[in-house]
Amino acid sequence: AQSVTQPDIHITVSEGASLELRCNYSYGATPYLFWYVQSPGQGLQLLLKYFSGDTLVQGIKGFEAEFKRSQSSFNLRKPSVHWSDAAEYFCAVVPSGAGNKLTFGGGTRVLVKP
Amino acid sequence: DSGVTQTPKHLITATGQRVTLRCSPRSGDLSVYWYQQSLDQGLQFLIHYYNGEERAKGNILERFSAQQFPDLHSELNLSSLELGDSALYFCASRAGGAGSYNEQFFGPGTRLTVL
Repeated sequence: AQSVTQPDIHITVSEGASLELRCNYSYGATPYLFWYVQSPGQGLQLLLKYFSGDTLVQGIKGFEAEFKRSQSSFNLRKPSVHWSDAAEYFCAVVPSGAGNKLTFGGGTRVLVKP
Repeated sequence: DSGVTQTPKHLITATGQRVTLRCSPRSGDLSVYWYQQSLDQGLQFLIHYYNGEERAKGNILERFSAQQFPDLHSELNLSSLELGDSALYFCASRAGGAGSYNEQFFGPGTRLTVL
């Protein structure tokens, strides 16, 4: 079945440490890929997107993501986490030919320790 | 600020009632999407409108309906409300034509509580 999986429900990281959030998708063709962040009580903000081209994508707030076709993955990374990065992160896809509707993973909640 | 506005921010109502959620897309965006975020179902696509016409439906209940008006704002109508309809409802808008693949920009959401 077509799906988007974020294996980690919660991640705790110390401030200043690196962060990697995993995202795997299961679709026949490579979909369009997105990462969104949702801060407490807020809406969803787009961090970055991948449509085609360079597989390492730079986003806002110091985030980057790498598309790996062989692993059907689109993992999000940040070299040094700030306390303000505590939030929930969602990987989302638009499957090719699916009419633009976003299909979201279950989300990963990130807690930042001082 | 994404440029997408949603009203009201919070809504508390009783079972069996009907409510209307409103969304104004970013200036110039013709596409409006509605999503529901609940604890048990996560984030789910409900419906997509483009320039006043329904383009796609997701897991939207028959008790729910939506429309997009000539000024491009959209309304999501939820009727015969049940406890399980309690959720955060997001609207998103997107630039470009109906078949393009630009990113969607989300509003702050309307939190619906059904008592």
